[in-house]
Amino acid sequence: GAGVSQSPSNKVTEKGKDVELRCDPISGHTALYWYRQSLGQGLEFLIYFQGNSAPDKSGLPSDRFSAERTGGSVSTLTIQRTQQEDSAVYLCASKTPGVQYQPQHFGDGTRLSIL
Amino acid sequence: GENVEQHPSTLSVQEGDSAVIKCTYSDSASNYFPWYKQELGKRPQLIIDIRSNVGEKKDQRIAVTLNKTAKHFSLHITETQPEDSAVYFCAARVSGNTGKLIFGQGTTLQVKP
Repeated sequence: GAGVSQSPSNKVTEKGKDVELRCDPISGHTALYWYRQSLGQGLEFLIYFQGNSAPDKSGLPSDRFSAERTGGSVSTLTIQRTQQEDSAVYLCASKTPGVQYQPQHFGDGTRLSIL
Repeated sequence: GENVEQHPSTLSVQEGDSAVIKCTYSDSASNYFPWYKQELGKRPQLIIDIRSNVGEKKDQRIAVTLNKTAKHFSLHITETQPEDSAVYFCAARVSGNTGKLIFGQGTTLQVKP
């Protein structure tokens, strides 16, 4: 595809439910990043994938958050037992591998609302 | 840990005036500094970036300057237009091989016609 694709675009769920967010990066981009953007805030790093491995998970806020990537392409971010403070826009970005100064390209994000 | 501070948080200018947004970073090994523009409800879009071996870069009405010694970098928009109204984010690439970016908190720019 032409750009990073994320689904769903919007998700409303009840507190305590699990949610799964999907990111389809630009073809050939082996580096993939998840960020969280709370209302009126900057982008908070969550996790970085290189291929299917995640060498940097330092931004995941709790053990309720996990992510995986398969086939070096699609990634899913899972939030278990959602809390109201999880409400935010979750953004995914991908990048050309091995080139130090290449920019990250973002998807449109998933707006997650926890009732 | 790594940190990026961005100022101001909001900026209002008249159409045609210039706008300047400033950022400071904490990781002296950072070597890449992109700027993103985010319109309401849309994805962040890269507008300009600069590498640490360059002091200034221009692209039409947009320029970025970098002072490595002071760990400051700034975005300059000249001849502002209403369509420049958006939230602007600076970022710094942390040292290491991840390409991870640390973002500033954002500046909401309003250009009044």
